[in-house]
Order: sequence, then structure tokens, then C-alpha cells
Amino acid sequence: ETGVTQTPRHLVMGMTNKKSLKCEQHLGHNAMYWYKQSAKKPLELMFVYNFKEQTENNSVPSRFSPECPNSSHLFLHLHTLQPEDSALYLCASNGQGRSNDNSPLHFGNGTRLTVT
Amino acid sequence: DAKTTQPPSMDCAEGRAANLPCNHSTISGNEYVYWYRQIHSQGPQYIIHGLKNNETNEMASLIITEDRKSSTLILPHATLRDTAVYYCIVRLRGAGSGGYQKVTFGTGTKLQVIP
Repeated sequence: ETGVTQTPRHLVMGMTNKKSLKCEQHLGHNAMYWYKQSAKKPLELMFVYNFKEQTENNSVPSRFSPECPNSSHLFLHLHTLQPEDSALYLCASNGQGRSNDNSPLHFGNGTRLTVT
Repeated sequence: DAKTTQPPSMDCAEGRAANLPCNHSTISGNEYVYWYRQIHSQGPQYIIHGLKNNETNEMASLIITEDRKSSTLILPHATLRDTAVYYCIVRLRGAGSGGYQKVTFGTGTKLQVIP
């Protein structure tokens, strides 16, 4: 149990569908992250939210739309995806608001997405 | 963040110490070394981090060279459950941002523990 919960664990969707991935943490962290991990490639940072404000968008296509309604929840809304978007999507959190915070990232176990 | 270099794969016999090297020759004085591992089909798991002193916790030991250009993660008695990809990362010390960091992962070292 990492303290970061992602749902669903597996998702299969067609290219015309709209779906959402959910991430939840109750670790008191102020920063939340979305990473994408494609087969045999390193983790790619997609988005970062710090204190509910988006601080990073790593040139992610607009068919991926993040939402952070509060510091405990993070969503990734998906629409008109392509088969190459099939990957493991990982959520992480860290940070407790201190100026000298060096806290490590806590990851969820990811959502395995397959786009057909 | 400074770039790190790790061997792509290593084997270790069960019960023996696993020593995973990492080169970070361009590390700056205010960058920490972090280690994570990722077991198949799970999210990465934090192991340990350090700045310049050697560190030990219940999972592993971290040895950082005096010039800080390289480090070694030591798993003292490897078990089959330690089979995973191990990532070495350097990142800046907290800079007044509340802990948020743009952390980049490389390809890591795939450690195979052999019975």
C-alpha cells in the first residue's frame, strides 16, 4: 500500500470513447503528477500540479486533459485517443509545503490503458 | 537535473549482496541522489536518498563517493522479490517550492535475482 490509489487498474477504450483516470492520495501532499510509461521506454512526465495549480505540461497532446479539484485528487480525462496512447499511466505525489522539502515521490500502481 | 548513467542489466545470486552502480559525474552541490525501483506491473517505489554522506535504511544502503560523481545502491541480502528495475535519479534540494520537483527517470538497471 503506497498511499496513492489509482482507478481503474485496467481500461480498454475505443478511439471515439471518453474516459477518465482517477488518482487519490491522503498523505497530505501538495504536489501531484501524471507520468506515462510505454512499453520499453522510460517514464515520461506529463503534468504536474502544485497546490492545485498546474505547474508543468510537458507538451502533452490536448486529447489528454488533467484536472485537480483539490490537493488530494487528480484526474486525467481522455478523449479521441490513438492506439499509440496505450500505456501504463502512473500518478505520484509528494511535498508537504515546506520550503526545504526533499520528500520522495509516492507512486500509485497505475492504470493499464489499451486503446483499440 | 544532472544526467545519470546505469548499466542496463545485472544478475545477482539469491542471498548475496546486490551492488548497483550509478554514475552522475555532472551532479551539482545542491543535488540529491535518489533511488527507486519498479517491480513488474507496479508503480516505482522509493528506496533511499542522500546528499553526500552514506545512508542506510531497512531496505538498502547508499554509498556516495567523496567527489559525489558516482554512487552505489547495496541490497545486502538479495531475494527473488528484489527482481526489479532500479532507477538512480538526481534532483535539486527543495527550493522553496513546497517539495514539487520535475523529476526525470532514465532507463534504469534491470536486476535479476537468481535462485
